[in-house]
Amino acid sequence: KAGVTQTPRYLIKTRGQQVTLSCSPISGHRSVSWYQQTPGQGLQFLFEYFSETQRNKGNFPGRFSGRQFSNSRSEMNVSTLELGDSALYLCASSDGGAGDEQFFGPGTRLTVL
Amino acid sequence: KQEVTQIPAALSVPEGENLVLNCSFTDSAIYNLQWFRQDPGKGLTSLLLIQSSQREQTSGRLNASLDKSSGRSTLYIAASQPGDSATYLCAVLSSGDKLTFGTGTRLAVRP
Repeated sequence: KAGVTQTPRYLIKTRGQQVTLSCSPISGHRSVSWYQQTPGQGLQFLFEYFSETQRNKGNFPGRFSGRQFSNSRSEMNVSTLELGDSALYLCASSDGGAGDEQFFGPGTRLTVL
Repeated sequence: KQEVTQIPAALSVPEGENLVLNCSFTDSAIYNLQWFRQDPGKGLTSLLLIQSSQREQTSGRLNASLDKSSGRSTLYIAASQPGDSATYLCAVLSSGDKLTFGTGTRLAVRP
């Protein structure tokens, strides 16, 4: 099976813009979770989608949103970008059952200028 | 709120040495614990997954143990190699199906 893929791998934006990141899970997986990694805060959970519904949410402002499509692919959107949004954004997929192992993609490196 | 701590934050050892990385967590109600490796600027590579009902897992030169009642896990790396140089992260999966990560141990293995 192919692994988790994320596009684009690198992105440069300016403050105030918005950005959309994409994640394709492992075939058959129904859950996609998003994480943000920064040097100061480490890895933090953003949200999880399961069967096109947001099932869990971390402690991030409403500028961060996401969605999941019927084929389980997920997108994450960040509006009104701030310098502090510069980070590595990782997505992980799993079967979606409680306690299932999560498999991570290579990440999207977002730089906000 | 689950909190995960990793000690030490950084470690430098000569090649061939055996080493132990430590991870502790505050809430023992976990589904599983995973150890990951992250190379600079890269994503996460899963090394070992220990379910909450298990005590340890082994893969090659790596052995991870879990003591859920005390909130501790260790990652043992035998006969370290320069290629093992990376940041090692532990993460616990709790209710809400979210992983809570430690801040990592940055390992450097000197030739």
